[in-house]
Amino acid sequence: GAGVSQSPSNKVTEKGKDVELRCDPISGHTALYWYRQSLGQGLEFLIYFQGNSAPDKSGLPSDRFSAERTGGSVSTLTIQRTQQEDSAVYLCASSLGLGPQHFGDGTRLSIL
Amino acid sequence: EDKVVQSPLSLVVHEGDTVTLNCSYEVTNFRSLLWYKQEKKAPTFLFMLTSSGIEKKSGRLSSILDKKELFSILNITATQTGDSAIYLCAVEVAGGTSYGKLTFGQGTILTVHP
Repeated sequence: GAGVSQSPSNKVTEKGKDVELRCDPISGHTALYWYRQSLGQGLEFLIYFQGNSAPDKSGLPSDRFSAERTGGSVSTLTIQRTQQEDSAVYLCASSLGLGPQHFGDGTRLSIL
Repeated sequence: EDKVVQSPLSLVVHEGDTVTLNCSYEVTNFRSLLWYKQEKKAPTFLFMLTSSGIEKKSGRLSSILDKKELFSILNITATQTGDSAIYLCAVEVAGGTSYGKLTFGQGTILTVHP
């Protein structure tokens, strides 16, 4: 597609529920990244996929967070047993290898 | 731990003013520094800098990197109300499992009044 597409754009859920956030990167981009942007905080790296290599999961804040990238394209970020501190905007970005990262509009997640 | 610090955190100017936004960094294995503009949603890419002393320019915006002093500046001349946004600086590191990961500064909130 023309840009990075994320869905849903907004998600409101109750504490303790699981959520899945989806990212469709720019066609042909081999690298895909997830970041989190909390109120008053900068963007925080979560996880990075590059081609067929093992993902860099060093930014995931707890084992409740996981992500996968199927077929080298679409990625899903899953948060299990959500907590209120998980409320944030989750941003996905993709890049063509060494090029700049291009971001989607994000999913605004609110945990009640 | 990699660190990126932006200043000022917020700035209010009037249309036509020139602004300079600062970004300093301390990282291991620097690869590139990027500037983004964030309005309501997605950060949009402005510049990617890898070499010292070479100015990158796009219209009224320009940026330069100093790898010896570990900082970059973003200049906006003849500001317009449409320049109001959060400006984000990010540094990419090279090598190992961190390759490609961006470390972001806190951002500078720029408000341009008519």
